[in-house]
Amino acid sequence: GEDVEQSLFLSVREGDSSVINCTYTDSSSTYLYWYKQEPGAGLQLLTYIFSNMDMKQDQRLTVLLNKKDKHLSLRIADTQTGDSAIYFCAERRRTNDMRFGAGTRLTVKP
Amino acid sequence: EAGVVQSPRYKIIEKKQPVAFWCNPISGHNTLYWYLQNLGQGPELLIRYENEEAVDDSQLPKDRFSAERLKGVDSTLKIQPAELGDSAVYLCASSDRDRGLNTEAFFGQGTRLTVV
Repeated sequence: GEDVEQSLFLSVREGDSSVINCTYTDSSSTYLYWYKQEPGAGLQLLTYIFSNMDMKQDQRLTVLLNKKDKHLSLRIADTQTGDSAIYFCAERRRTNDMRFGAGTRLTVKP
Repeated sequence: EAGVVQSPRYKIIEKKQPVAFWCNPISGHNTLYWYLQNLGQGPELLIRYENEEAVDDSQLPKDRFSAERLKGVDSTLKIQPAELGDSAVYLCASSDRDRGLNTEAFFGQGTRLTVV
């Protein structure tokens, strides 16, 4: 399809791991991104992965990329209440434009 | 280093009135984007500039929306006349294409437009 797709909601307990999934559209996309948006704020880049990699780890964040299935995931270890936000998956296409998913609202319960 | 600056942060106007948003990208960034974000949705591209050239404006409703990026730096986005359905957050982002393929986009805080 034409859209970057994500599940809309995820709820976890503090200390658990969170996994947010995304499917993107363009097999030739060069970079895949995860952005975080807190209420009333702009989008903040969390992490990214180059399309020739299948995994990237950055502290509590792990990104997995399955290029064959055009599937991207973000795992947050030891999720904290401060991680509550909306997480957007985005792809950078070879034309240099960026397309975003609708966002996954992560709620972390104490 | 200052990030992407947008103004105003909030704007309330009556329908049929004009409105303009302003964006100052990060210094040296040659790519500038305007996105529209409706409540509960992800950003949707309106227009992308490479320097002063609009290279992708296919999603810009040209009957009422216009944009310009004179001198390839600041940009303005205008709506005339505004409709109720234009109420949304308008996000500006910039990136540095000359850094190579990994040109992450940096976002401003957005302008929240309410049309009444």
